[in-house]
Amino acid sequence: SQTIHQWPATLVQPVGSPLSLECTVEGTSNPNLYWYRQAAGRGLQLLFYSVGIGQISSEVPQNLSASRPQDRQFILSSKKLLLSDSGFYLCARNVGRGDGYTFGSGTRLTVV
Amino acid sequence: DAKTTQPPSMDCAEGRAANLPCNHSTISGNEYVYWYRQIHSQGPQYIIHGLKNNETNEMASLIITEDRKSSTLILPHATLRDTAVYYCIVRVASHNTNAGKSTFGDGTTLTVKP
Repeated sequence: SQTIHQWPATLVQPVGSPLSLECTVEGTSNPNLYWYRQAAGRGLQLLFYSVGIGQISSEVPQNLSASRPQDRQFILSSKKLLLSDSGFYLCARNVGRGDGYTFGSGTRLTVV
Repeated sequence: DAKTTQPPSMDCAEGRAANLPCNHSTISGNEYVYWYRQIHSQGPQYIIHGLKNNETNEMASLIITEDRKSSTLILPHATLRDTAVYYCIVRVASHNTNAGKSTFGDGTTLTVKP
């Protein structure tokens, strides 16, 4: 099984509050892990990806950060949320040559 | 990763074949074509992928032109449950390199009508 667990499913947070979204994966070890954000009616924007423990690459400058403390754990964080951080956040994984992405069920974040 | 171009929306009658096009004219020789679909408020679901040969699985068929600059996803008998946003992406299929990352465009919204 290449299951991905994301929680919570929905989250409403005030501006300026901290954020921590966790993604845990099952299955093959040492997967590539990804955080995507999706604005309403739009495609997926890649935020961060990780090819191993402690290895994080950022795709776009932003108010968010990511960490990978364990092989199967990927965390998205913010110290102070902005209104523009609202969106649908998706965690994804893939392993091996030719492997497609497996996505989690996502977290819909609304910053108020 | 090469960019892709897809029509923003398409309609299809239930029971008929849905043919979704994708242009990827700048695709590199080592880049695969992947298709995903996203039903409202869910994570995208992998459908199929290919390098240069046509591919078929239980969900769909993928037709890639000989020059690999475009492809078509075919849902042979569309149902109402196939209504979704369909994304075409191209990427190098490598592990432990940054080449495995991809950006998804806005995709094609397919509406299957009864």
